[in-house]
Amino acid sequence: GAVVSQHPSWVICKSGTSVKIECRSLDFQATTMFWYRQFPKQSLMLMATSNEGSKATYEQGVEKDKFLINHASLTLSTLTVTSAHPEDSSFYICSAHLAGQRGNSPLHFGNGTRLTVT
Amino acid sequence: SQQGEEDPQALSIQEGENATMNCSYKTSINNLQWYRQNSGRGLVHLILIRSNEREKHSGRLRVTLDTSKKSSSLLITASRAADTASYFCATVQGGSEKLVFGKGTKLTVNP
Repeated sequence: GAVVSQHPSWVICKSGTSVKIECRSLDFQATTMFWYRQFPKQSLMLMATSNEGSKATYEQGVEKDKFLINHASLTLSTLTVTSAHPEDSSFYICSAHLAGQRGNSPLHFGNGTRLTVT
Repeated sequence: SQQGEEDPQALSIQEGENATMNCSYKTSINNLQWYRQNSGRGLVHLILIRSNEREKHSGRLRVTLDTSKKSSSLLITASRAADTASYFCATVQGGSEKLVFGKGTKLTVNP
């Protein structure tokens, strides 16, 4: 149980285009999802907290107009990288708690999306 | 911001040996969690230890927590080649639900 599906697993796009990444909780409801970014051989950096039915909360230094987050239902959050540039190339990973379980429970992660901007 | 700092950054051992990874953190925590990441994949939760616990076991994994020293260790006993991965500690700070990850230890288990 507690499976998080992330799609696509990899994407290559041209500079200036936008890319949408989907994160779905397949067998549980997630009122909150977390989006992380990971550079090669580095740790995960929290980008934003996605809240169902309300605006996302962005971490300091993350441009909310560049990384658009929508959490329209209890099982789907999307991250759109707008006007992508080569420096946006990275590994993006989403995660979620089971609904009702917050900081004292494990996070369930998707398998990540490798974004390459050419 | 980074909270946990793992040590060592990289560890290479032979199959059958034990692997110990350490994690230090800076602020008060609700719990500390260990995750595993295979190359190019998402993270898999291993163990969660609460701030009032000192030790926890799960199969070949043993985690300790010393809140006075703000440190934790992950021991993998009788390692296998399949244990090759990066291991991260992560903490939830008091009053927050955000999980903040350390830099990770890259473990290589040679067959």
